[in-house]
Amino acid sequence: GENVEQHPSTLSVQEGDSAVIKCTYSDSASNYFPWYKQELGKGPQLIIDIRSNVGEKKDQRIAVTLNKTAKHFSLHITETQPEDSAVYFCAARSSNYKLTFGKGTLLTVNP
Amino acid sequence: NAGVTQTPKFQVLKTGQSMTLQCAQDMNHNSMYWYRQDPGMGLRLIYYSASEGTTDKGEVPNGYNVSRLNKREFSLRLESAAPSQTSVYFCASSVSEETQYFGPGTRLLVL
Repeated sequence: GENVEQHPSTLSVQEGDSAVIKCTYSDSASNYFPWYKQELGKGPQLIIDIRSNVGEKKDQRIAVTLNKTAKHFSLHITETQPEDSAVYFCAARSSNYKLTFGKGTLLTVNP
Repeated sequence: NAGVTQTPKFQVLKTGQSMTLQCAQDMNHNSMYWYRQDPGMGLRLIYYSASEGTTDKGEVPNGYNVSRLNKREFSLRLESAAPSQTSVYFCASSVSEETQYFGPGTRLLVL
């Protein structure tokens, strides 16, 4: 089955800096890659996603890039703010239509 | 439009007791999912239901049963709870097999 590795497990940045979280996947048939943000005590919420026919997607301060050849994708957050502090999960949808999640990255934005 | 709702929010069980976690969605989604979330393990799929009347095992189905009662409701049952089932349980739903919308979670402690 699909295996998704996510790095780093924790990330601390200063307010205004950029943050990058990276994920790799194993199943070359995977074709959908969402990113979720989970705030303390809440369920994960989709923040951005990308499909395998696209290399990059942006939404205001958030962007995701996908390298199908290398089987990795990354989340980029620019001009970080304290409210960006949360746990972020990447995921990949493989050929069996199930989402496999990474183990998460705890992002802390220091004022 | 409440999205995905879960009951109860918190539960404490003794080893060997049984309980059912309830999930409902009002978005007319075809697919529904149950995940468990443990520290450092990310989200792991327990069971999913691609459509009303169908269910399938995920990554960690042992010790659980599910029922897709109708299109709106998908329940998760623990027949004989064990301490290893202490976790946070999330229900999710999706229109297709892509974007999944999560509920707020049920925090379960098995003593």
